[in-house]
Parts: sequence; C-alpha cells; structure tokens
Amino acid sequence: GENVEQHPSTLSVQEGDSAVIKCTYSDSASNYFPWYKQELGKRPQLIIDIRSNVGEKKDQRIAVTLNKTAKHFSLHITETQPEDSAVYFCAASLGGMTYKYIFGTGTRLKVLA
Amino acid sequence: ETGVTQSPTHLIKTRGQQVTLRCSSQSGHNTVSWYQQALGQGPQFIFQYYREEENGRGNFPPRFSGLQFPNYSSELNVNALELDDSALYLCASSPKTGDGYTFGSGTRLTVV
Repeated sequence: GENVEQHPSTLSVQEGDSAVIKCTYSDSASNYFPWYKQELGKRPQLIIDIRSNVGEKKDQRIAVTLNKTAKHFSLHITETQPEDSAVYFCAASLGGMTYKYIFGTGTRLKVLA
Repeated sequence: ETGVTQSPTHLIKTRGQQVTLRCSSQSGHNTVSWYQQALGQGPQFIFQYYREEENGRGNFPPRFSGLQFPNYSSELNVNALELDDSALYLCASSPKTGDGYTFGSGTRLTVV
C-alpha cells in the first residue's frame, strides 16, 4: 500500500542551529504535502504545506522543499528555538484524492538550550 | 473564529462496548475527517465526511462508522470495542476537501 517514510525519528540540535526532517512518499500522484507540529498532549497544528506545482515554500524560519522526481520532501527549520521542540509529522495526499492524507511516523525534535 | 472542538476529552470503555465521539467543525468548514493516533505513531485516516456523505474511507473495519449533520458537526461510532482501539481520536475540519486540516484536541479512548 501507499506509505510515507519519515527520518529521523529523533533529532537533537543546539539552539540556533538548523534542523532538517526528510520524508519520502510512494504515490506518484500525491499532490499536496502538509507538515504538522504536535506538542505533548496537544493537537497537531499545520505549520506549512506545499503543492506539487511548487518546488519550495518558505515562511519565516520554516521552509519546505519538494522533489517530485525523487518523491522526497523536507522540512527545514533555521535558527531553532526551545519552543520548536515537538513531534513533527509530514503527510502526503493519496493520489488525486487530496482529502486523504498518509502521515509519516513522526520526528521528535529536541532543541537544547 | 471558533476552532474544532471534540468531546469527551477522555473516555474509558470496556472491551465489547460501543462508543460515540463528537466533533464540532471550525466555522465555515464543511468537511470533517477522523483519524486514529496510537501512542508514538502518526495519525491514521479513518474516514471523511463532506456535506453529510462519506467521502473516502481508510483501512478500518465496518464497526467504525460515522455521521455528519447539517451543521457540519460529526460523530464517530465504534462498536464492539477491542483493546487495540485504545488511541487518541482526532477530528479535523477543512473548508473544502483537500486543504490543510485544523485538528481538534482529540478524544483519548482507553479500552480495558
């Protein structure tokens, strides 16, 4: 079946450094890729998304890149802060049916002060 | 602007029982999706409702069923509960089918 692989599962960085989380999807028809941040005991929150007709999108310290050929997309967080510590999930829409998202298994990011 | 609200926040049920979880979608959102999130895992798609009709379903057995009401609120029903049904159940709404979701805080279901 279709799946999304996410790496690494845990990531520790020093405050101020950059963090990169990578995802690979299997469905070549996927056309929408959201990223969610989930703090302990809280709801997932959409932080950035990208559609398949765009290669890169940036929002302040957060950027997402998409390589459709390789079926890879990545989240980049620059100048990390302690409040960036959370679990991050990537997701990919299933084929042309953008209503169904396949989520990755999550990356626990720890920003060390 | 109101967010997505779910009730109850926590629930303990016995194996074999039935449960109903409720969700009120964000104002202006007509699409509601339900996800199951086991501990340490990513959310798994259960199904989606759009304008009161089921609009796609994940790999969950028929004992997982749902409803959407004219005001776009929704229910998730699970019959014959099993221990493995213990999880966080997340409701998410979006203004149209496919755009990024707004998730509710979830209902944590424990089956004993």
